[in-house]
Amino acid sequence: SYVLTQPPSVSVAPGQTARITCGGDSIGTKSLHWYQQKPGQAPVLVVYDDSDRASGIPERFSGSNSGNTATLTISRVEAGDEADYYCHVWDSSSIHHVFGGGTKVTVL
Amino acid sequence: QVQQVQSGAEVKRPGSSVKVSCKASGGSFGNKAINWVRQAPGQGLEWVGGILPIFGSTLYAQKFQGRVTITADESTTTASMELSSLKSDDTAVYYCARGGYSVHDDDAFDAWGQGTMVIVSS
Repeated sequence: SYVLTQPPSVSVAPGQTARITCGGDSIGTKSLHWYQQKPGQAPVLVVYDDSDRASGIPERFSGSNSGNTATLTISRVEAGDEADYYCHVWDSSSIHHVFGGGTKVTVL
Repeated sequence: QVQQVQSGAEVKRPGSSVKVSCKASGGSFGNKAINWVRQAPGQGLEWVGGILPIFGSTLYAQKFQGRVTITADESTTTASMELSSLKSDDTAVYYCARGGYSVHDDDAFDAWGQGTMVIVSS
């Protein structure tokens, strides 16, 4: 089955840039989506189709996807960006939706 | 604005079944897939399965095949997920999430329910 690999945690100072990676075999050939989940809340779509921002999401959030790695970049990080972030793809080989293990972003 | 409201928390005995519902409003219901995703305590997201209400076509994660049944009622714009033969490791928050125009497509999940806690305990 297809596997998406994310770092468990990323720490960043306010105002700096956070980069969250999502690795998978030839992931650049798939449509990759990112979700933000704050404690006790449902996930919220942040970026879809590799690099399109969902409605209401600040321009500080951007995405890219190429080769074996996709990246969610959060510029000018704010305290309110502290959350878990998950990547997601549809794997047509296994006919499954697959999520990465999640990355906890901590704002120092 | 699309909104999906789920049924309340459940406590179940091992071996029993649970049925969780998800009522959608504010958007077209039948032609967008409704997926179910679960999250065990302190863990990540896991896809359970999905349904395209207009055709009633379903797709289940292999892990849950034979134990899960997902249904949808267009007249009430409600989707439901029933999980049987419950085990303690089925304890999780279960979310419904709206997908694309097919149960087999690669669209994002753009609207999520608030989640339903299911506790399996003897």
